[in-house]
Amino acid sequence: QVTLRESGPALVKPTQTLTLTCTFSGFSLSTTGMCVSWIRQPPGQALEWLARIDWDDDKHYSTSLKTRLSVSKDTSNNQVVLTMTNMSPVDTGTYFCARTNTYDYGSGLDYWGQGTLVTVSS
Amino acid sequence: SDELTQPPSVSVSPGQTATITCSGDKLGSEYAWWYQQKPGQSPVLVISQDSQRPSGIPERFSGSSSGTTATLTISGTQPMDEAEYYCQAWDSSSAYAFFGGGTKLTVL
Repeated sequence: QVTLRESGPALVKPTQTLTLTCTFSGFSLSTTGMCVSWIRQPPGQALEWLARIDWDDDKHYSTSLKTRLSVSKDTSNNQVVLTMTNMSPVDTGTYFCARTNTYDYGSGLDYWGQGTLVTVSS
Repeated sequence: SDELTQPPSVSVSPGQTATITCSGDKLGSEYAWWYQQKPGQSPVLVISQDSQRPSGIPERFSGSSSGTTATLTISGTQPMDEAEYYCQAWDSSSAYAFFGGGTKLTVL
């Protein structure tokens, strides 16, 4: 059974760096074809893809946010960490992590975490 | 352009067919994926690579693509299908994903 769970601060101040952790089970990020993405959703707005890390440690970033994002993995602990620098109120929203199994569904996101709400405010 | 354009809303009567479109230049060469998101819940993958239905997704959900437009079709729409639907594409050359703006499906 595949599960993912996001964790991190619920509140960050403007200009601070956000660090979120995705802890997953039911698959390994050392298995060929496995990837974990981060996606966010401002309140009442659309989904926005942020970043992805692949089984071979390839990393991919949103073109508009890549200067602020970093993604890494801890394969032994089944975790993926996202950092986003210079947070501002427009970054407020729910942050999701999700799995990709390229062998099953190409670059689709087949399992999602429940999401974690991050509010940026002083 | 990496924009995907969806109609903001679609309405359908129960039992009828709902059609949601997603248009974008990249879809001329890339696949589309479709997600269903109900209020307060995480998205669920309902169509993969234009037309594949993941296991557990009802047969009334289908997908197609032609030119630069992907289409999600829900046949025999049920009240439980009322949700926001998002399309997504993956730019293979630059290796990044992007979503459409979402379509609110109302079943009334």
